[in-house]
Amino acid sequence: DIQMTQSPSSLSASVGDRVTITCRASQGISNYLAWFQQKPGKAPKSLIYAASSLQSGVPSKFSGSGSGTDFTLTISSLQPEDFATYYCQQYNSYPLTFGQGTKLEIK
Amino acid sequence: QVQLVESGGGVVQPGGSLRLSCAASGFTFSSYGMHWVRQAPGKGLEWVAFIRYDGSNKYYADSVKGRFTISRDNSKNTLYLQMNSLRAEDTAVYYCAKVKQGLAFDIWGQGTMVTVSS
Repeated sequence: DIQMTQSPSSLSASVGDRVTITCRASQGISNYLAWFQQKPGKAPKSLIYAASSLQSGVPSKFSGSGSGTDFTLTISSLQPEDFATYYCQQYNSYPLTFGQGTKLEIK
Repeated sequence: QVQLVESGGGVVQPGGSLRLSCAASGFTFSSYGMHWVRQAPGKGLEWVAFIRYDGSNKYYADSVKGRFTISRDNSKNTLYLQMNSLRAEDTAVYYCAKVKQGLAFDIWGQGTMVTVSS
């Protein structure tokens, strides 16, 4: 199975900050990488697929990059509604696997 | 609008069975693959199963292989997850999700809670 490792596991930031979350795959996955946002008690929301393509309706403050084994999610100009847990996921091969999550908290 | 609504969760004893449903609306259900994903209380996301748009291929996580069966009824716009031989570690919120392209997700349902406990 492909292991997905996110860093950091938690992150404190302020409104207006720009933050970057990284995700590393244990083997190459081309660009078959997605990012999700989840708020407490809610279903995950799809943000990015194919490493850098924004899902419909997702604001351009979210951006993704990377290929192979190393990927990043960048969120610019943080707003209160952006504080949540973020997960990466590879869908290059079965079983699909998720990172452990990065909890983004308000400083 | 595109919507997925799960149902069928509840409390079941270890060794019991449960069938989850995911009702789809707002898109051509028969044209898209579908996933089930679960999340144990306080834990991360775990992919469970995938079914192609026509039901011709199905894939499972090792943790549920042989116990869970994914299926679909395109005439009813509904996805199913039949769960047998349930264990305490199957306790989780179960989400269905629609494929955007390939295996990539786009829309998720709101989830249904399954509790396996005596």
